[in-house]
Amino acid sequence: EIVLTQSPGTLSLSPGEGATLSCRASQSVSSSYLAWYQQKPGQAPRLLIYGASSRATGIPDRFSGSGSGTDFTLTISRLEPEDFAVYFCQQYGSSSYSFGQGTKLEIK
Amino acid sequence: EVQLVESGGGLVQPGGSLRLSCAASGFTVSGTYMSWVRQAPGKGLEWISVIYSGGSTHYADSVKGRFTISRDNSKNTLFLQMTSLRAEDTAVYYCAREQYASGSYSYFDYWGQGTLVTVSS
Repeated sequence: EIVLTQSPGTLSLSPGEGATLSCRASQSVSSSYLAWYQQKPGQAPRLLIYGASSRATGIPDRFSGSGSGTDFTLTISRLEPEDFAVYFCQQYGSSSYSFGQGTKLEIK
Repeated sequence: EVQLVESGGGLVQPGGSLRLSCAASGFTVSGTYMSWVRQAPGKGLEWISVIYSGGSTHYADSVKGRFTISRDNSKNTLFLQMTSLRAEDTAVYYCAREQYASGSYSYFDYWGQGTLVTVSS
């Protein structure tokens, strides 16, 4: 089973600042099968990024993804108030899926 | 419009059983990959099971042998039969549709609103 470790656990920033969230895999993950989700309290997760770097439909271009192998990054260029939420990375491999433990992005 | 609506959650005693349903609209459940993902209170997301369009199924080790995923094509509905429930199974259970193309992509593009399962005496 591939374990995804996200860092930091909590990120405190102000609106307008940029955010960098990390997702590290215990073994190599195909970039094609790496996705990022945003979750707000009481809501289901929402797809942001798939294929490590492709934005999902309707996702603003301030969200971008990058990385390969075992290291992946979600970058939010200019934080808007609605961006403060929890973010999860997720991978698929060999008929199994796993999620990172999440990074909480909070208002400073 | 794609929609997923879960139901069937509730309070159940340890060792008990429960069946969750996920009614889909806007697409055909039998023609795609469908998963169940759960989230314990205040915790992260845990994938637990998938059923592929061809009918094959896979499970996380944490539920293997206790949970069964299935679908009713005539009702366009996904199910999760849960038995031998434990306190650690307490969570919000989401169904999710997967978009998959070998070598190209795999991601969950639509999620239900979730149904809460509480295992407690």
